[in-house]
Amino acid sequence: DAGITQSPRHKVTETGTPVTLRCHQTENHRYMYWYRQDPGHGLRLIHYSYGVKDTDKGEVSDGYSVSRSKTEDFLLTLESATSSQTSVYFCAISPVNQPQHFGDGTRLSIL
Amino acid sequence: AQKVTQAQTEISVVEKEDVTLDCVYETRDTTYYLFWYKQPPSGELVFLIRRNSFDEQNEISGRYSWNFQKSTSSFNFTITASQVVDSAVYFCALSEASRTSGTYKYIFGTGTRLKVLA
Repeated sequence: DAGITQSPRHKVTETGTPVTLRCHQTENHRYMYWYRQDPGHGLRLIHYSYGVKDTDKGEVSDGYSVSRSKTEDFLLTLESATSSQTSVYFCAISPVNQPQHFGDGTRLSIL
Repeated sequence: AQKVTQAQTEISVVEKEDVTLDCVYETRDTTYYLFWYKQPPSGELVFLIRRNSFDEQNEISGRYSWNFQKSTSSFNFTITASQVVDSAVYFCALSEASRTSGTYKYIFGTGTRLKVLA
């Protein structure tokens, strides 16, 4: 509906393995964001992008990296997953200062 | 530092009661935007309203109303005659410009879980 897709929707993996989550948009928005949602913490910004190859850190960026090689895709990578990174991850897109449209979320479990 | 506080972690009301969800924010910017989102039990995040810092008019949309007061840095959300379908987690958010890059990011409160009992 807002033209944003996250993949995978669910993933279970082991500690120490690399994990990549993908966010794909068809809206051509400049801004893309990755959040994690944990009980008691709401939505916390991990990284965001304001253009191709332009990214900046959010409040909980340690242990995560991102890449945006084209407008429509924003990848979030956990280089070596830890149990503390078990969470629900949301991608969002928006024009500047406009409402964000969110993907359906990725439920990531790290055992 | 920019901050959004939703002090009410969880609220329970009986259907048809009115309920107000509080949101208090801190920002250094003179131009900023505030938002409310709803997250029903199904998990998706749904946009409800956007308000810019220069528009202090209250807004009403059906049973929903929003009260923006810059003097108290608050942007509260009231549901009138609540219904079971209003049960959800509600998030308040603030957009801010990064001092280093001039780009925009959003700060979310921790959310208020509203339970409407039949």
